[in-house]
Amino acid sequence: GAVVSQHPSWVICKSGTSVKIECRSLDFQATTMFWYRQFPKQSLMLMATSNEGSKATYEQGVEKDKFLINHASLTLSTLTVTSAHPEDSSFYICSARENNEQFFGPGTRLTVL
Amino acid sequence: AQSVTQPDIHITVSEGASLELRCNYSYGATPYLFWYVQSPGQGLQLLLKYFSGDTLVQGIKGFEAEFKRSQSSFNLRKPSVHWSDAAEYFCAVGAGNQAGTALIFGKGTTLSVSS
Repeated sequence: GAVVSQHPSWVICKSGTSVKIECRSLDFQATTMFWYRQFPKQSLMLMATSNEGSKATYEQGVEKDKFLINHASLTLSTLTVTSAHPEDSSFYICSARENNEQFFGPGTRLTVL
Repeated sequence: AQSVTQPDIHITVSEGASLELRCNYSYGATPYLFWYVQSPGQGLQLLLKYFSGDTLVQGIKGFEAEFKRSQSSFNLRKPSVHWSDAAEYFCAVGAGNQAGTALIFGKGTTLSVSS
């Protein structure tokens, strides 16, 4: 099946710094990728839809200036958490769409101190 | 708007016993429905999906689910649970009118398996 990777798998940063998370489709091209956030013991919440070559579509309540998404190629989407704060600590999961299915990455654990 | 409800937050089942995890959805048209499993600190693994056709869907690891339109349900079942099945289970529905759109997840059910 299709494989999606994320890098890094975990990251710890200081408050006020920016963190970039990569999502790659390894063996297929993905015009559309999705970014989800999962707080501890909670469900996944869609943050944004990332479309190659165009601006991302953000869900209501998600700050687009804080969570910058770039989908510069058909195999890579990046999520940059700018000026991270402790409340941004979460598990970030991406998925990539191929045909009519979504394939999920393993997730990135972000801890902001 | 679409929504997914998983009524059971936590279920404990004895090893070897049968399992049923409940899922109810709200969606106006024919839904695209999914069940995922997540082990602690891990990503999601797709167990099975329903797009159309046979309402009884077979998945991996011995799981199956049945789509019941009249009850707006998509319950997950397994005849005999193994200790390795202990994990978090999420039911999800496609957010749009096409398969492959963003997913709306239920809050999840934590499965514990007792010996």
